[in-house]
Amino acid sequence: ILNVEQSPQSLHVQEGDSTNFTCSFPSSNFYALHWYRWETAKSPEALFVMTLNGDEKKKGRISATLNTKEGYSYLYIKGSQPEDSATYLCAFRSLDYKLSFGAGTTVTVRA
Amino acid sequence: DTEVTQTPKHLVMGMTNKKSLKCEQHMGHRAMYWYKQKAKKPPELMFVYSYEKLSINESVPSRFSPECPNSSLLNLHLHALQPEDSALYLCASSHGLAGALDTQYFGPGTRLTVL
Repeated sequence: ILNVEQSPQSLHVQEGDSTNFTCSFPSSNFYALHWYRWETAKSPEALFVMTLNGDEKKKGRISATLNTKEGYSYLYIKGSQPEDSATYLCAFRSLDYKLSFGAGTTVTVRA
Repeated sequence: DTEVTQTPKHLVMGMTNKKSLKCEQHMGHRAMYWYKQKAKKPPELMFVYSYEKLSINESVPSRFSPECPNSSLLNLHLHALQPEDSALYLCASSHGLAGALDTQYFGPGTRLTVL
């Protein structure tokens, strides 16, 4: 089991504020890094898949960066809205194609 | 249709019961997965099916028995479970097995409680 860490475990952000959080993963045997958004009582929804060092992906107000050399990815939410409240999971895909998940960062946006 | 469905949503069973979880997708995906997630922990891979054949069993106890009757369906048969098996069971599917861009699409999960 590969060690994928997400921090913080949870955070609260005021509506309109921006926030970011981290996914740390092994820097060796890297193949891809996936981000998912998981709203309560729904299915995890794929946000991004990133493969190259320095990759940046954006979807609306949410963006992600990737540093494979040091083994971390940041997810940013700009101008948080209540609908951004969810658990954000990252998953590290190693060269043997296995996917290892972090425990998630739970974001609560306060109106 | 990019949906993975799972039934039932909730299941309560005794340690002597036999029950099954069902997962279905109609995206033409050829890889399907079972994960187990305990509260505040990462989802843990249990089984992977590729082209309806079991390709990965992550040393899961035999009281969990997967079955892939066709390319759209994945079942998980449960027998003689223990209370510590209580968890959220997630099903996922992907186009293929090994591509970096092979995003897994997840169902909403079955919340299992073993009494």
